[in-house]
Amino acid sequence: QKEVEQNSGPLSVPEGAIASLNCTYSDRGSQSFFWYRQYSGKSPELIMSIYSNGDKEDGRFTAQLNKASQYVSLLIRDSQPSDSATYLCAVGAPGSARQLTFGSGTQLTVLP
Amino acid sequence: GAGVSQTPSNKVTEKGKYVELRCDPISGHTALYWYRQSLGQGPEFLIYFQGTGAADDSGLPNDRFFAVRPEGSVSTLKIQRTERGDSAVYLCASSSLAGERNEQFFGPGTRLTVL
Repeated sequence: QKEVEQNSGPLSVPEGAIASLNCTYSDRGSQSFFWYRQYSGKSPELIMSIYSNGDKEDGRFTAQLNKASQYVSLLIRDSQPSDSATYLCAVGAPGSARQLTFGSGTQLTVLP
Repeated sequence: GAGVSQTPSNKVTEKGKYVELRCDPISGHTALYWYRQSLGQGPEFLIYFQGTGAADDSGLPNDRFFAVRPEGSVSTLKIQRTERGDSAVYLCASSSLAGERNEQFFGPGTRLTVL
């Protein structure tokens, strides 16, 4: 059973702080990793993709990947109330398969 | 330049009825995916199309579910003899199949309620 695990939260951080979201996955052959943001009642929105070990930065977002530890994280710097949402970690199936396996999401609340 | 579109946005039906959900992917995207999402859960993969053919239908829960993409663009997810457990948000996504990159972009979803 391929699994993607996330802490469900809720995670609360004050405005301006760094929010840290974590994800582990079970399929060691996975090669592609994604973070989606989902506002209540809306569909998932892709915010970060990462394919190689290390850090990838995009604005206030940094994705971190450690394939040896089967661990992916997302850091949100200078958190804003508008960042309050559920963050979904998704892992791509290895090889020619294209499906994404999602975690159940971490609910983030940024307190003004 | 438009994103993925899905119709209808909401569908209420009675147990046992047949429903069709439509997805129009981003222009030029050859890969199309269907997922469904239950409350409090992440999306769950149903089926993936590459062009007109279903490349992977391993996520379809049973033979009441079927999807087509006859011209390699718009896709229709068909559910026969609906059951209350089919109630969920059905999400469609598309991607451009650029090498190993598999960035999938989701439509707004169809909320299906089976009474």
